[in-house]
This record gives sequence, structure tokens and C-alpha cells, in this order.
Amino acid sequence: DAGVIQSPRHEVTEMGQEVTLRCKPISGHNSLFWYRQTMMRGLELLIYFNNNVPIDDSGMPEDRFSAKMPNASFSTLKIQPSEPRDSAVYFCATRRMGIYGYTFGSGTRLTVV
Amino acid sequence: AQSVTQLGSHVSVSEGALVLLRCNYSSSVPPYLFWYVQYPNQGLQLLLKYTTGATLVKGINGFEAEFKKSETSFHLTKPSAHMSDAAEYFCAVSGNSGNTPLVFGKGTRLSVIA
Repeated sequence: DAGVIQSPRHEVTEMGQEVTLRCKPISGHNSLFWYRQTMMRGLELLIYFNNNVPIDDSGMPEDRFSAKMPNASFSTLKIQPSEPRDSAVYFCATRRMGIYGYTFGSGTRLTVV
Repeated sequence: AQSVTQLGSHVSVSEGALVLLRCNYSSSVPPYLFWYVQYPNQGLQLLLKYTTGATLVKGINGFEAEFKKSETSFHLTKPSAHMSDAAEYFCAVSGNSGNTPLVFGKGTRLSVIA
């Protein structure tokens, strides 16, 4: 079991550029969550999917953020255009529906300069 | 709706001393409760969880937590701190279905002094 795989681990980009973060869930896990972690706000839920369907995206901060889950094996979180205040660690977490704990990926540390 | 309050953003203990990290929750439905640990530059790892049944829950690395409904608390303890316990600890709550997200507290950073 390779766990939840996130890529890239680190991303440094210039303001205004498009950023795409990727997540591969554990096989058989049918719920997927995107969180953002900052010192000021802690862990914030951005969006989550059940069976590839977005259930709640009320945590997505602005229209600049979008997320997709085209199949059970892959999800993306896109920021376009990026801004310095988007700098944070972005985590993907997955679980099998009905099983209560998450498995987290190692995160993507995003720095927007 | 659920929420979590972790009392103390930073706790410092001596090696060998008792570790106590406090968590209080608010939930409109019977809660499921979790503790996660985060080491530097890593993701969060599940330490232990309470869903139903015994209110004293044992987890990995010698940690345990007790669900106290009357106090709406789920404090994390370990009898004897080890240097390797230094990390960030997060308490989380969810409703009692398998389909709702976890709501996390702000975290408590544990330092262990030799």
C-alpha cells in the first residue's frame, strides 16, 4: 500500500501563474478531502468528494480555486491565478466511506512569490 | 455543526513526565473523536479514535484518550514523555456517520525537554 500520494512535494511559483496540485488516493478509498494548512488558520477543509462527486466546496476560498476528480484514482486542485496569500501546505486525505479515520498524504508546500 | 477547541497552542514537558493535551468539542449529534499527530514536514497520522463502546481508547506510541460526554472532552494522555513525542497534535470531531468530514482543532505543539 503506497498510501496517499501527492505531487509535487514543493512548488514555488510566481504570482499570477497557474498551479496544479495532484493527489492519488489509496485504492478502494472513495472519499477524498482537500485541506489547506497555515499558521494563522490551521487546517481548513477546502472541498471533498464522495465517489468522485463533489459534495461540499464551501471551503474553497475564491473562484481562483477549482478541484476535480475525474476518476477514482486521481484528483487535482488548481489555483489560477495564484497569489502570495495562497502560500500554504495543501493536504489530500482519503478514506473508505463508512470508515471514520482519514489517511493523509505528505502534502504539497506551495510558495507563491 | 461541530467544532473543536484545543487548550494551549504549546505544551512543554520534561522527558519522563506525564503528557496531557486538552481537547473540548461541540457537536449537535453524537460525536466521533480523533487525535492525529504531525511530525515536521509530514502529513497527519492517526493516533487513536473513539466511535462507540469503551470510552477509554488506546492508540499508538503509548497514547490514550478518554471520551467524557458530560465534560464534552477528549483529552490525550501519555504516562511518560519521550523525546520522539515532540510533534504537533490535532484533535478532530465528526458526526456519527461515515460520510462527513472531520473538523480539526488548531493543534497543540508538544515540546519534550531532556
